[in-house]
Amino acid sequence: EVQLQQSGPEVGRPGSSVKISCKASGYTFTDYVMNWVKQSPGQGLEWIGWIDPEYGSTDYAEKFKKKATLTADTSSSTAYIQLSSLTSEDTATYFCARFNYAFAYWGQGTLVTVSS
Amino acid sequence: DIQMTQSPSFLSASVGERVTLSCKASQNINKYLDWYQQKLGEAPKLLIYNTNNLHTGIPSRFSGSGSGTDYTLTISSLQPEDVATYFCLQRNSWYTFGAGTKLELK
Repeated sequence: EVQLQQSGPEVGRPGSSVKISCKASGYTFTDYVMNWVKQSPGQGLEWIGWIDPEYGSTDYAEKFKKKATLTADTSSSTAYIQLSSLTSEDTATYFCARFNYAFAYWGQGTLVTVSS
Repeated sequence: DIQMTQSPSFLSASVGERVTLSCKASQNINKYLDWYQQKLGEAPKLLIYNTNNLHTGIPSRFSGSGSGTDYTLTISSLQPEDVATYFCLQRNSWYTFGAGTKLELK
């Protein structure tokens, strides 16, 4: 069974960084691209970017190129997203989602709260 | 960038009713359109991919159609467990979600 288990809620101070993890199981981690999606409180969904764990290649939505950094550790089958220079606009739930023919599998989401 | 407009934003319907949700793209997206269901406090769940393909395990009362810029998700007979917000996603050029349709029971 494919599972994506994300790390717990984070609180970050304005200007700081946070790093969220997404541990994959039930499939070969390097066989599928991992995406990240943002959902702001009471808002819709925004695609942040993807990483190909096999090659480490990444691509980002223009809006997130200076905000998010995607990495992957193949030894632990874990994908990461680091969010930098946090502002109140970054307060949101962040999801990892595995892509095959669509975003068929999602993590449970990680709430990031930016607060001083 | 491709913009996705969903309508209506909010819909109230009765159990057993046929429900139609719409999604309009700002340009042709070549049927690269998926539908997701999100219940409160949960991750989105894939229902339909590439316009009209039912994802594994999704009940057959859900169906999708469309082409070009206009796409539709239909629930043939609304069930209580279908109360949720529904999002469309275009994958023709990068990825853009619609703002969602919140579906409740009348």
